[in-house]
Amino acid sequence: DARVTQTPRHKVTEMGQEVTMRCQPILGHNTVFWYRQTMMQGLELLAYFRNRAPLDDSGMPKDRFSAEMPDATLATLKIQPSEPRDSAVYFCASGLAKETQYFGPGTRLLVL
Amino acid sequence: AQSVTQLGSHVSVSEGALVLLRCNYSSSVPPYLFWYVQYPNQGLQLLLKYTSAATLVKGINGFEAEFKKSETSFHLTKPSAHMSDAAEYFCAVSDDYQKVTFGTGTKLQVIP
Repeated sequence: DARVTQTPRHKVTEMGQEVTMRCQPILGHNTVFWYRQTMMQGLELLAYFRNRAPLDDSGMPKDRFSAEMPDATLATLKIQPSEPRDSAVYFCASGLAKETQYFGPGTRLLVL
Repeated sequence: AQSVTQLGSHVSVSEGALVLLRCNYSSSVPPYLFWYVQYPNQGLQLLLKYTSAATLVKGINGFEAEFKKSETSFHLTKPSAHMSDAAEYFCAVSDDYQKVTFGTGTKLQVIP
């Protein structure tokens, strides 16, 4: 049963520290999405990639967030420096172009 | 621009009663529409999707939704609620089947 995996599942860090979240998309999927979920804002699209190239990162704060796909099996989302307002659940999803997105279990981030 | 509005952030039904979760959409082009379900501490899972084929869409776990263009609605229904249906449900819209905009979610409580 193919699934999107995300690590770590939970992260507690202090303000100013760098945070790196990783996602392994389902093998064969060519599109990867990063979402952030908070109580206040709901589910927001941060960025997405197709065939490892960034297509849209307009939802991402550019000054501290960065997203990359070093290879087809790994997507990363980095926050540097982290701030308390970044506390949220971050989801990765993958899919094929024009098809359903499959979500990972999320990384729950708490920035103190 | 695309958007969805979910009426009611919390809905309570008795076990065995009809489930009706409301969603209205706005899209400048014929939309793709989705319902996702999120169980506690998990990612989102696709329940069903509308892609301009049949207006009545059947999904998993006995759920279905009807696309009504005249009402710009895509309400989710299930004839008989089960305790395991307690979760948060998200309506979503896309005009290109890639960049998806999610609603704010409706938490469904099922009362024994």
